[in-house]
Amino acid sequence: QKEVEQNSGPLSVPEGAIASLNCTYSDRGSQSFFWYRQYSGKSPELIMFIYSNGDKEDGRFTAQLNKASQYVSLLIRDSQPSDSATYLCAVNIYAGGTSYGKLTFGQGTILTVHP
Amino acid sequence: DAGVIQSPRHEVTEMGQEVTLRCKPISGHDYLFWYRQTMMRGLELLIYFNNNVPIDDSGMPEDRFSAKMPNASFSTLKIQPSEPRDSAVYFCASSLRGSADTQYFGPGTRLTVL
Repeated sequence: QKEVEQNSGPLSVPEGAIASLNCTYSDRGSQSFFWYRQYSGKSPELIMFIYSNGDKEDGRFTAQLNKASQYVSLLIRDSQPSDSATYLCAVNIYAGGTSYGKLTFGQGTILTVHP
Repeated sequence: DAGVIQSPRHEVTEMGQEVTLRCKPISGHDYLFWYRQTMMRGLELLIYFNNNVPIDDSGMPEDRFSAKMPNASFSTLKIQPSEPRDSAVYFCASSLRGSADTQYFGPGTRLTVL
């Protein structure tokens, strides 16, 4: 089993719809969870992070975390064509001591928002 | 701030040659990460530094890869000798508080080994 798994898609949604991106992780020691967006040919950029169970909202984006189910998701409301990109789920496993652990990325989900 | 700076942006070389990738992190960031991205394996952490000291190099594929950080504003990733399977996009990223914090990625270096 991969440490971080995502449905690779592609996920296609019409403009204005809700896009739902899902991610599962294997290590129960995981502490921090991140969603990065990567446009084609560009570098990843952070959209949201979440540390606690529940929902976290930022504009059109909502991150949801369920540590019991080892599941994190990203909802994009009112999807726009400019949201078309690859979305990477990243999970931080805290190594303890003075280290802040390291990020493990999922394979990414390709999202296409069509007009 | 100019963000994370990487050079070169593109590198084409022949198998067996030495390749050196360079990175300048955001000023004040104590953590620096080197990643490799391919279609098959996705984005993988190779190594990361804290205050110029390598903390975790478990992702370095083999002895052909080495990384250094001689000071807080400069790091290199060297491949010697290079092989076609090393072809990938190599990203450098930096952060204030390690992996529990936002990582800012550079534009990447696209490496092609013929």
